[in-house]
Amino acid sequence: QAVVTQEPSLTVSPGGTVTLTCGSSTGAVTSGHYPYWFQQRPGQVPRTLIWDTNNKHSWTPDRFSGSLLGGKAALTLSGAQPEDDADYYCFLAYSGGRVFGGGTKLTVL
Amino acid sequence: EVQLVESGGGLVEPGGSLRLSCAASGFPFSKAWMSWVRQAPGKGLEWVGRMKTKTDGGTADYAAIVEGRFTISRDDSKNTLYLQMNSLKTEDTAVYYCATGRCYGTSCYGTTDYWGQGTLVTVSS
Repeated sequence: QAVVTQEPSLTVSPGGTVTLTCGSSTGAVTSGHYPYWFQQRPGQVPRTLIWDTNNKHSWTPDRFSGSLLGGKAALTLSGAQPEDDADYYCFLAYSGGRVFGGGTKLTVL
Repeated sequence: EVQLVESGGGLVEPGGSLRLSCAASGFPFSKAWMSWVRQAPGKGLEWVGRMKTKTDGGTADYAAIVEGRFTISRDDSKNTLYLQMNSLKTEDTAVYYCATGRCYGTSCYGTTDYWGQGTLVTVSS
């Protein structure tokens, strides 16, 4: 089974910009992995921010964007807000299955 | 409005069985692929498996760690997804979430865009 890797933790200042990445043990992440990004605040249900690399849901704040960067999927937060302090998970598709990354704990401080 | 409501969680002994249900509303359930995701206490998200529509074959795919022990099924007449869990182990203790994709009219895509609130399964003696 493939392993999906994320930074364990990152810190960003309020109003700052940060990029979270998502790599695959099988090689470069492509659009064919249909990358998803989820946000989970403490004690809450995960919510989907980005689907299929760079598509947003109606509830996704404009300050979040998804892309492919250097062979990885990436989630960029521009203009961090205190409410963005949360865990972020990426999710990749493989033949016959799906795999979550281990998650990135983002601290806004 | 998409709603997913899981039920059936509880305390079960190692080696035991449990069946979870996910009641769906607000979208064309029979057209939607569905999935189960779990989260052990204090840990990350883990994909359990997904169920295709009957039109797409009605089959399910599973994570290796649950293959052969867990079975996903659906009853489109009841708009309900199930997760039958057998030979449970202590490491199966987690909140189990039901999830589904996005629907535009009668066409649906993805399996993890909308999530239920989850149901807790505790495997312990």
